[in-house]
Amino acid sequence: DGGITQSPKYLFRKEGQNVTLSCEQNLNHDAMYWYRQDPGQGLRLIYYSQIVNDFQKGDIAEGYSVSREKKESFPLTVTSAQKNPTAFYLCASSIPETSSPYSYNEQFFGPGTRLTVL
Amino acid sequence: QQQVKQSPQSLIVQKGGISIINCAYENTAFDYFPWYQQFPGKGPALLIAIRPDVSEKKEGRFTISFNKSAKQFSLHIMDSQPGDSATYFCAASGNRGSTLGRLYFGRGTQLTVWP
Repeated sequence: DGGITQSPKYLFRKEGQNVTLSCEQNLNHDAMYWYRQDPGQGLRLIYYSQIVNDFQKGDIAEGYSVSREKKESFPLTVTSAQKNPTAFYLCASSIPETSSPYSYNEQFFGPGTRLTVL
Repeated sequence: QQQVKQSPQSLIVQKGGISIINCAYENTAFDYFPWYQQFPGKGPALLIAIRPDVSEKKEGRFTISFNKSAKQFSLHIMDSQPGDSATYFCAASGNRGSTLGRLYFGRGTQLTVWP
């Protein structure tokens, strides 16, 4: 089955520790995304990558870091600098198309990781 | 600054009724407007999407209405069912500048359909 895998589903960490969330896709998609979801806040973009070895900051990148060494993988590290890391984290992938006349960006989401920092 | 504004935050509808969720945007570079559906503890999934060359798109009980001049679009769920109870997100993307290659999401609407 093709899809996006995020592991683990639940993650607990002590305050001050860095933690890395895994995201793997076998859809052969070029673009991958990380979102944070908090109640009433919607989906906020942390980082995204259009191609291997390249990534861009989203709207709330402070306290997070990413790497994109392989097309299939886009791990997210939540660092100790992130002031309020407890949240639901979602990874997505897509084949964005911007050919004329309109853009198209259907994103496929993983099941999410719920991170709790104690 | 919220690029896509969504309302209401929550909605309660009786089974068989019509659910209506509204979204508004300002950036004229947006040219793709999808709606996502998310069940508790799951990732969102694409429900239906529209481009600005049409004013309406219908798929089964779900319809998007699009008003380009008002920069507004809405999701209508006809004959709402308890299984439609979920959080719905509108979104937008474009083909130039900062709108390229990413989606901007609304804050979501939690829909509850009671029997």
